[in-house]
Amino acid sequence: DTAVSQTPKYLVTQMGNDKSIKCEQNLGHDTMYWYKQDSKKFLKIMFSYNNKELIINETVPNRFSPKSPDKAHLNLHINSLELGDSAVYFCASSPYRDSYNEQFFGPGTRLTVL
Amino acid sequence: RKEVEQDPGPFNVPEGATVAFNCTYSNSASQSFFWYRQDCRKEPKLLMSVYSSGNEDGRFTAQLNRASQYISLLIRDSKLSDSATYLCVVNANYGGATNKLIFGTGTLLAVQP
Repeated sequence: DTAVSQTPKYLVTQMGNDKSIKCEQNLGHDTMYWYKQDSKKFLKIMFSYNNKELIINETVPNRFSPKSPDKAHLNLHINSLELGDSAVYFCASSPYRDSYNEQFFGPGTRLTVL
Repeated sequence: RKEVEQDPGPFNVPEGATVAFNCTYSNSASQSFFWYRQDCRKEPKLLMSVYSSGNEDGRFTAQLNRASQYISLLIRDSKLSDSATYLCVVNANYGGATNKLIFGTGTLLAVQP
């Protein structure tokens, strides 16, 4: 019973390509997140959705576009991939938007841009 | 100044040792504090929340000093399975009812047999 799942787990692609990562949670949570963890292991929030509404939009290139078709799903589309986009992308969910509760993370998508 | 600062380590300790990690945060308005654990090539998982009065969970004790904006984690009787990166996490208000979590870069613990 996977709580937060992501696909794919690994993604290797060429510069300039467009790719998508999908995330699903079966916890019934209202809020979902995308984080980026770079090579220095620094984990930084990119976006958050609460019941399909975008509530956090950090300074991220507009090549990154999140989409939430329903509150159990949050996808991330990346256009014109660059070398610097190589990182591990984690999806997470929490019951509410207030960050007082635990966030549950997916297993991560390791993106390598060649 | 970084929003959340931790000593990156590594901390190499023998089994059975007691080890302490420290963390400082810059936002005096932060209200929620956590320690997360991240194993190599895995996702972060909540280890424990940190409460103002300090709290303990088995071999783990967390302390918060709001005046100094300082959080600590003490691990007693270290086990090999405690080897991981420990992330200090603090919340920050993003606007209205929305908060976000700010993660430190983590402290790497390696427990040696």
